[in-house]
Amino acid sequence: QKEVEQNSGPLSVPEGAIASLNCTYSDRGSQSFFWYRQYSGKSPELIMSIYSNGDKEDGRFTAQLNKASQYVSLLIRDSQPSDSATYLCAVTGRRSGGYNKLIFGAGTRLAVHP
Amino acid sequence: ETGVTQSPTHLIKTRGQQVTLRCSSQSGHNTVSWYQQALGQGPQFIFQYYREEENGRGNFPPRFSGLQFPNYSSELNVNALELDDSALYLCASSLARAGEKLFFGSGTQLSVL
Repeated sequence: QKEVEQNSGPLSVPEGAIASLNCTYSDRGSQSFFWYRQYSGKSPELIMSIYSNGDKEDGRFTAQLNKASQYVSLLIRDSQPSDSATYLCAVTGRRSGGYNKLIFGAGTRLAVHP
Repeated sequence: ETGVTQSPTHLIKTRGQQVTLRCSSQSGHNTVSWYQQALGQGPQFIFQYYREEENGRGNFPPRFSGLQFPNYSSELNVNALELDDSALYLCASSLARAGEKLFFGSGTQLSVL
């Protein structure tokens, strides 16, 4: 079982629609959850962080966390062609030795078509 | 822009050679982490440096080594390059040893032939 799992996609949505990206993780001790956006050939860019159960909204983005189900999602409202990218879910492992690391999923490729 | 800079942007090496990649952290950030991202995969944690000492390491062999300097810049060294080392190498800086928000540099694309 992978530590962080995402559907590789591509997820294709029409412009203006809501894109829903999902992620599950295996370590119940995980404490922090992140969504990164990565354009082709570029480095990951942090777009959302969430630490407690529920929803967190930032502009067109909403992150949702359910620790009991070990599930985190990202909703993108009013999707634009410029949102077309790979979205990486990242989870911190249990803190040990005074450091933590991000564990990434393989990413979901989103394609927003006009 | 994250303020994290990496050099070079692209590099081509042959199997068995050694390579050094460089990273300058965002101002004020004292922790640097290195990640390897193979094509079609998510980034994989290599190691983290805090105040010039390695304080965390992923599942990478000893031929992957690093340094952090007093100005918090960092190097990643890879010896005895293998074809599977071809990847995007990402440097990320953060505010504290256990800081969680990582800000990535633009990466170094390494090709091993």
